[in-house]
This record gives sequence, structure tokens and C-alpha cells, in this order.
Amino acid sequence: SYELTQPPSVSVSPGQTARITCSGDKLGDKDVCWYQQKPNQSPVLVMYQDNKRPSGIPERFSGSNSGNQATLTISGAQAADEADYYCQAWDITTYAFGTGTHVTVL
Amino acid sequence: QVQLQESGPGLVKPSQTLSLTCTASGVSISDRGYYWSWVRQSAGKGLEWIGRIYNTGITSYNPSLRSRVSISVDTSKNLFSLNLRSVTAADTAVYYCARDRIALGFDYWGPGALVTVSS
Repeated sequence: SYELTQPPSVSVSPGQTARITCSGDKLGDKDVCWYQQKPNQSPVLVMYQDNKRPSGIPERFSGSNSGNQATLTISGAQAADEADYYCQAWDITTYAFGTGTHVTVL
Repeated sequence: QVQLQESGPGLVKPSQTLSLTCTASGVSISDRGYYWSWVRQSAGKGLEWIGRIYNTGITSYNPSLRSRVSISVDTSKNLFSLNLRSVTAADTAVYYCARDRIALGFDYWGPGALVTVSS
């Protein structure tokens, strides 16, 4: 099965930049999505096709994908961005989710 | 607006079958261009994709669950369903249904249904 690996946690000061990585074999050849999940809430799509923001997602969220790594960047992080983040990709006949990264803003 | 709602028993006995339904409103399950997926999350753990279905009945499943899972669709009732057989405590999780835009992400999710496997 296809595996996507993320760092367990990332810390960022308010107003600074947080980068969340997602690693997988030849991930750059796939479309990557990112989800934000806050405690006791359903996940929310924050990025699709590597770098496209759904309607309503702030411009401070951006994405990239190349080689074996995709990155979700939060520029000017805010307290509201504190959450778990998951990457996702489709491989042949199945979806894989990343292991998840908890972002702390403090 | 698009809404998805999971429903089903919150408690299932070991070795029995877990059955959940996801009812859609504000959108037709028959709309072209969307799959309909199930995702679960055990307490304190990450997201696990279970499988998906298209309105024609075409399915894809997570290989780790394929031997025990089946997903079906009822376009007349605008819902799709999950059956997971021979459950154990390891299947205790919050189960989400979601609209799958085929490589464009899961853009709508249900609120989730907690299913506990216990005797």
C-alpha cells in the first residue's frame, strides 16, 4: 500500500510561516490534497491538486509538490490555524492519507 | 447547500456487521463527476480511507479492508451505505462519509458517526 509520511508536529509563532511536509514515493507525479481538522470536527479541504485553494480558504495557505515531497505552507499563521493537517493522494486504485501533523501556533 | 449525514447503530457486537448510511441533501448522488467515499478515524489517530462508490455502482476499496467491506448506492433515496463485516474492537472509530471530486479533493463531509464495537 502507498504510504505518506508527515512530521507529527510543527510549531509556529503567530505571524510566522509554517511548512508541513508530506513524503511519498514519486509523490510529485500525483495530485495532492490537504485537509485541516480541528478537535471534534470533520476535516476541511484546504488545498487540492497540489496548489489550488477551495473557495473560502484564506490566501495564507499555499501548496507545492515535487519529487517525493509535497508541502503545505501557512504564511502569517494565526491562532485559528492550530489544527491537525493531513495530506492525501490517489495511488492506482486507492487513496492514501498522510500520518497527520499537529500544528501549534504559539 | 450540500449536506451529508451519517446514520446507523452506535454500538455493534464483535463479529457482527457494522452498517452505516450516508444521506445526501442539496446534491444528487446521481450527479456526474463525483464519487462518494467513506473514511474512518480511530480515537486519537489519523484518517483512514475505507472505499468509494460512483452512482453507477463502481467501487474501489482500501486493500486492507477489501475482504470485509462493501459499499452500495441507492440513487432513488439519494444515499449510499457502508457494510463492514466481522468487526473487532479495532474497528471502533468515527466514520465519515464525504463527496469525492475525483482528484479534486473531498469537498463535503458529514459530521461523523461514532461506532463502538463491544459486547
